[in-house]
Amino acid sequence: DIQLTQSPASLSASVGDRVTITCRASQTINAYLNWYQQKPGKAPKLLIYAGSSLQRGVPFRFSGSISGTECTLTISSLQPEDFAVYFCQQCHTTPWTFGQGTKVEI
Amino acid sequence: EMQVLESGGDLVQPGGSLRLSCAASGFTFNSHTMCWVRQAPGKGLEWVSSISGSDETTYYADSVRGRFTISRDNSKNTLYLQMDGLRAEDTAIYYCAREATYQLLSATFYYFDSWGQGTLVTVSS
Repeated sequence: DIQLTQSPASLSASVGDRVTITCRASQTINAYLNWYQQKPGKAPKLLIYAGSSLQRGVPFRFSGSISGTECTLTISSLQPEDFAVYFCQQCHTTPWTFGQGTKVEI
Repeated sequence: EMQVLESGGDLVQPGGSLRLSCAASGFTFNSHTMCWVRQAPGKGLEWVSSISGSDETTYYADSVRGRFTISRDNSKNTLYLQMDGLRAEDTAIYYCAREATYQLLSATFYYFDSWGQGTLVTVSS
C-alpha cells in the first residue's frame, strides 16, 4: 500500500497567515492526490483534487501543488473558518490511502 | 443538490453483525462508484470498501475482506454495508461517500466529492 506522511502533525497559526501542509508519498504518485478539510463532528469536505484542481465552491485561498513524491496544500491567508484538520489522500493505486492528518489551530 | 445519508450504526457485541445503509439523492446513483470510509475515534480516515455503479464490482480493504460485504440497490438509490464478525477495532464512524472521476488526457483521477454525516458503530461487550 502507498503510505502518505503529512507534516507537520499540527501547527499554530493566526488569521491572515500563509499556511503550508506537506504530504509525502512512499512512491511517486504524480498528481493523484486529493486534499480534504474536516471540522470537529463533521464529515470531510473535498478541497483539492488531481493535485491542484480546486473543487467548486472552495475559496481561492486554497491551492495544491505537486513536486515528485511531495504534495503541498497552501492556504494563502488563513481565515477563522479554516481552523480544522486537513487530510491528503492518494488515488494512484488501490487501496486508496489517507495521510494521518494535520491539525491547524490558533 | 447531491446528498448521501447514512443510517444503521449501533452498539454491537464482538462477533456480532450490523448492516449500514446509505440513501443517496440529487445525482444519478447508478452512474457512480460508491464507497465506505471509516474513522476510529480521534483517528484518521480509512477507506473500507467500494462498489462500481455499472457492473457492481466490489473492492475491500484487507482489514475487512471476508467479513464485510458491500452492495447496492440502484432501484432504491441505496448503498449497504453488511458487517459480520465485528471486532473492537471496527469501532468507528462510517461515512458513505460518492467517488467522482476527472479525466485529463489519458489519466483518470478519483476523489470523494460528497460525504454523509456518518453513522457510529461501536463494538464492545
